Amino acid sequence: SALTQPPSASGSPGQSVTISCTGTSSDVGGYNYVSWYQQHPGKAPKLVIYEVNKRPSGVPDRFSGSKSDNTASLTVSGLQAEDEADYYCSSYAGSNNLCVFGTGTKVTVL
Amino acid sequence: EVQLLESGGGLVQPGGSLRLSCVGSGFNLGSYAMSWVRQAPGKGLEWVSVISGNGGNTLYADSVKGRFTISRDNSKNTLFLQMNSLRAEDTAVFYCARQKQWLKAVDYWGQGTLVTVSS
Repeated sequence: SALTQPPSASGSPGQSVTISCTGTSSDVGGYNYVSWYQQHPGKAPKLVIYEVNKRPSGVPDRFSGSKSDNTASLTVSGLQAEDEADYYCSSYAGSNNLCVFGTGTKVTVL
Repeated sequence: EVQLLESGGGLVQPGGSLRLSCVGSGFNLGSYAMSWVRQAPGKGLEWVSVISGNGGNTLYADSVKGRFTISRDNSKNTLFLQMNSLRAEDTAVFYCARQKQWLKAVDYWGQGTLVTVSS
């Protein structure tokens, strides 16, 4: 079933916001293959973090990821207006199972 | 530059069929696992299906198993999704997605194609 994320999070420009992603030992807790995607309205998702804490080329270092037990987290530091978007986590869940997405979090920059 | 371009979406009646295509450019599609991910209006992302680089392995969401078939033609750098027995709840934007490795992160997404199932 879907990973659990808070429906919303917010912060003022320049502040930090952290989004949690809670799964089980069969997905988030069992592997270091958690990804995070940013999605602006009407657009395709964009990868911002993979393998828990790795950033693809071109993604600002304001985006960072971590994991503890069955919960992964995405932190966006130094919030900027363009960071306002929906964010989804996803986790590997074993070689014979599709990956699972999180429920999504809408980040608002106040 | 890596690009994925979906086509084939549209309006279809319940019980009908539709075939989506995704043409990749700027890379060798056969070297990557590829997926279809959908997003119902106002809802979250849902993994629909994945296929390995050589087409030998496939997985499906329980919600589409037995109705959808994923396939690929690496000679044409093209991914397909054959959708049969469509239901209203299949209405969604369908994204083609390239995965860095089998069942790992998606590093490139298409722009999406809208499938609407309605009478």
